[in-house]
Amino acid sequence: QKEVEQNSGPLSVPEGAIASLNCTYSDRGSQSFFWYRQYSGKSPELIMFIYSNGDKEDGRFTAQLNKASQYVSLLIRDSQPSDSATYLCAVRGGHNYGQNFVFGPGTRLSVLP
Amino acid sequence: DADVTQTPRNRITKTGKRIMLECSQTKGHDRMYWYRQDPGLGLRLIYYSFDVKDINKGEISDGYSVSRQAQAKFSLSLESAIPNQTALYFCATSDPRQGASGYTFGSGTRLTVV
Repeated sequence: QKEVEQNSGPLSVPEGAIASLNCTYSDRGSQSFFWYRQYSGKSPELIMFIYSNGDKEDGRFTAQLNKASQYVSLLIRDSQPSDSATYLCAVRGGHNYGQNFVFGPGTRLSVLP
Repeated sequence: DADVTQTPRNRITKTGKRIMLECSQTKGHDRMYWYRQDPGLGLRLIYYSFDVKDINKGEISDGYSVSRQAQAKFSLSLESAIPNQTALYFCATSDPRQGASGYTFGSGTRLTVV
């Protein structure tokens, strides 16, 4: 079992719709959770992080965390073509990797005009 | 100027050659990392360093070595390059005092071993 799993996609949504990206992790000791956006050929950039169970909103983005289910998601409201990218889930603070990040393989999102 | 600078941006090298990828940062961060990215596999940690005298192996260190020349500089070497080391390589930095600030990534080095 991989440490962090994501559906590779591509996930296609029409412009203006809600895009839902999911991530599961195996290490129950994980403490913090991050979402990065990566455009093709570019470096990842941090979108959001979340520590506590529940929802955290920042503009059009909402991160959701359920530690009991070992599940974290990212919702993008009013999706725009510029949101088309690969979204990486990263987990930190687990027993296996401590303070280092463990990344999922990423989900490719395509927002159709 | 970029906060984290990687050189070269692109490199094609032959099997068996030694190659060095360089990373320098102006963030003042103590922690530096080298990752490689392959399609479908995400980012995998090669080596990391929490300060100048600290070097640690990551998930996939075989075939690689690193040098932390100064707080701001962290180099990755491939002693004898092989084709399956063809990948996109990222350097990253972090500051544990900034809590959830995450990593700052460099622009990446695309390495092709032929």
